[in-house]
Amino acid sequence: ETVLTQSPDTLSLSPGEGATLSCRASQSLNNNFLTWYQQKPGQPPRLLIYGASNRATGIPDRFSGSGSGTDFTLTISRLEPEDFAVYYCQRYDGSAPMYSFGQGTRLEIK
Amino acid sequence: QLQLQESGPGLVKPSETLSLTCSVSGGSISSNNAYYWAYIRQPPGKGLEWIGSVHSSGSTYYNPSVKDRLSISRDTSKNQFSLKLTYATAADTAVYYCARHEGWGRFDPWGQGTLVTVSS
Repeated sequence: ETVLTQSPDTLSLSPGEGATLSCRASQSLNNNFLTWYQQKPGQPPRLLIYGASNRATGIPDRFSGSGSGTDFTLTISRLEPEDFAVYYCQRYDGSAPMYSFGQGTRLEIK
Repeated sequence: QLQLQESGPGLVKPSETLSLTCSVSGGSISSNNAYYWAYIRQPPGKGLEWIGSVHSSGSTYYNPSVKDRLSISRDTSKNQFSLKLTYATAADTAVYYCARHEGWGRFDPWGQGTLVTVSS
């Protein structure tokens, strides 16, 4: 079973700063089926990045994804007030469990 | 625009069956073999857990953590898919979301979610 570990658990930054969120897989992904979501309180998760580096429709270009193998990164270049939320990575694995999520990184206003 | 909406009881007694339905509008759950229809849950204050999916063909896939208690079915005439989780315990208390996804992931869109509390 591949486990996704996100770091840090909490990231405290100010608007205008850049953010780097990490997602590490316990085993190498043979593909780049790594997805990032943003979740705000009381809302469902929102798709941000799929295939490790492809922005979903309507996602601002300050969001970018990168990585391969076991290490993936979500970068937010200049934080806007609406970016403060919890971010989850998620991966597909052909073996059980088929889909799993990281534990999340909370991005909070400093 | 594809929309999903969860419905079902907000309170379930321990050992009883937790049942939810996801109604889909703006697209058919059976028309495109690229898509799966999933339930994901989130205990209060915690992270996300995929619990199972049904493919547009009707094939089902379950998280091993709940596999022995879970059943997901679909009603193509109503464009709905449903979850039944037997022998509910307090650990099943969560916001339950339904979502569409592709085989390799990419859950989108999501329903708004519904809170189910397991308590006597």
